[in-house]
Amino acid sequence: AQSVAQPEDQVNVAEGNPLTVKCTYSVSGNPYLFWYVQYPNRGLQFLLKYITGDNLVKGSYGFEAEFNKSQTSFHLKKPSALVSDSALYFCAVRDNRGSTLGRLYFGRGTQLTVWP
Amino acid sequence: DVKVTQSSRYLVKRTGEKVFLECVQDMDHENMFWYRQDPGLGLRLIYFSYDVKMKEKGDIPEGYSVSREKKERFSLILESASTNQTSMYLCASGKAVKTYEQYFGPGTRLTVT
Repeated sequence: AQSVAQPEDQVNVAEGNPLTVKCTYSVSGNPYLFWYVQYPNRGLQFLLKYITGDNLVKGSYGFEAEFNKSQTSFHLKKPSALVSDSALYFCAVRDNRGSTLGRLYFGRGTQLTVWP
Repeated sequence: DVKVTQSSRYLVKRTGEKVFLECVQDMDHENMFWYRQDPGLGLRLIYFSYDVKMKEKGDIPEGYSVSREKKERFSLILESASTNQTSMYLCASGKAVKTYEQYFGPGTRLTVT
C-alpha cells in the first residue's frame, strides 16, 4: 500500500539556521513524491516534486528536497530559515496504479515554526 | 496560473441540512479531488473523479456524495449534515499525466451546528 510518514509533528528552528522536515514513504513501483505548504486558513501550495532524475530537487521559496531510494526518504530542506517559512508542511506520494491513477497519499503534516 | 475556486470560504449549516460545496478549475484538468482536513489527521480523501460523470470513493466516503457533470466542476454533497462533518474541505485538480501535482483551492471551513 502507498503511504507517507512524517515522523515529527513539530519542528522548531531559529531564523537563519538550516531546516529539515522529514518524510519517509512506502510505495509499489517508482515513487512520485511531492511537498506542499499550507499557511493559516489557506489551501495547500505546491512546493516541489520528484519524478525522476537528479536526487536533489529544487523548488519554490528556496526549498529543496533530497530523494534517497535506499532509505525511502524525501526530506525537505532549506539552508537558511525565515520567519515567513512558518507553516504546515505536507509530504505526499502519488498512486500510479490502475483506477486510482493520480491520487495522492498525504502525511499528517509537520508544523514548522521559525523563531526570530 | 492554475486557478481552483471554491464556492464559499466559510459556511454554517444546521444538522440535517443538505449541503453543497462547489469547486471549479480553469485548467482543463482531468482529475479532481475532495479532501477533508482535521487537526492531527492530515488530509483524508473523500472522493475523486478522473473524468466527467466518473467518480471513485476515497478513504472516507460515508455521508458524502459527489457530482461531476462538466469537466471543470466537481461538487461535494452532504446529504444530511451532521456535527462530525464540521471540518475544512479542500478541493484539488490535476492532470492525469505529465505534471502530476495537484492544485488546491482555498478551502471551505464548514461548521455544522
